[in-house]
Amino acid sequence: GAVVSQHPSWVICKSGTSVKIECRSLDFQATTMFWYRQFPKQSLMLMATSNEGSKATYEQGVEKDKFLINHASLTLSTLTVTSAHPEDSSFYICSAPGISRYNEQFFGPGTRLTVL
Amino acid sequence: DQQVKQNSPSLSVQEGRISILNCDYTNSMFDYFLWYKKYPAEGPTFLISISSIKDKNEDGRFTVFLNKSAKHLSLHIVPSQPGDSAVYFCAASPGSQGNLIFGKGTKLSVKP
Repeated sequence: GAVVSQHPSWVICKSGTSVKIECRSLDFQATTMFWYRQFPKQSLMLMATSNEGSKATYEQGVEKDKFLINHASLTLSTLTVTSAHPEDSSFYICSAPGISRYNEQFFGPGTRLTVL
Repeated sequence: DQQVKQNSPSLSVQEGRISILNCDYTNSMFDYFLWYKKYPAEGPTFLISISSIKDKNEDGRFTVFLNKSAKHLSLHIVPSQPGDSAVYFCAASPGSQGNLIFGKGTKLSVKP
């Protein structure tokens, strides 16, 4: 199956700093990528849809100025958490749609963000 | 309001027996349903999906059943193996290649 990577796999930062998370499709091109967030014992919540060459589409309640998304190429989308606060601590996961008949999405391994 | 619901947060099954994980949804416009398996600190791994025009899809030990009139689907794993122990997420897609809406997950424990 298709492979999606994320970097870093975990990051600890101080409150007020910005953190960039990269999502790459390794063996296929993705004009669309999705960013999810998962809090402990909760479901994966869609934050935004990243579109190559255009602006991201954010879900209701997600601050676009705080979670900056850039999809500069067909294999890379980045999520920048600006001025991070402890409540932003979470597990961030990206995904990209597959091209098979199963309609699945391929997920990255996730990034654990801890804001002190 | 949750559109995809997994009402059982956990399930414990003996090795070799059948595991049945349930999922309910509210939006009749969903056209694809998917099951994902997730280990802690890892991304979800796709297991099996079903189109809304079908009522059953089978892949090895995994079978998904869809009851559209009841807006209910289930994942059957038989025989269950200890390596199946993980959190299973039900997800629905409102359109081809679109975003997914996830349930809260069911933690399956398969005991040897």
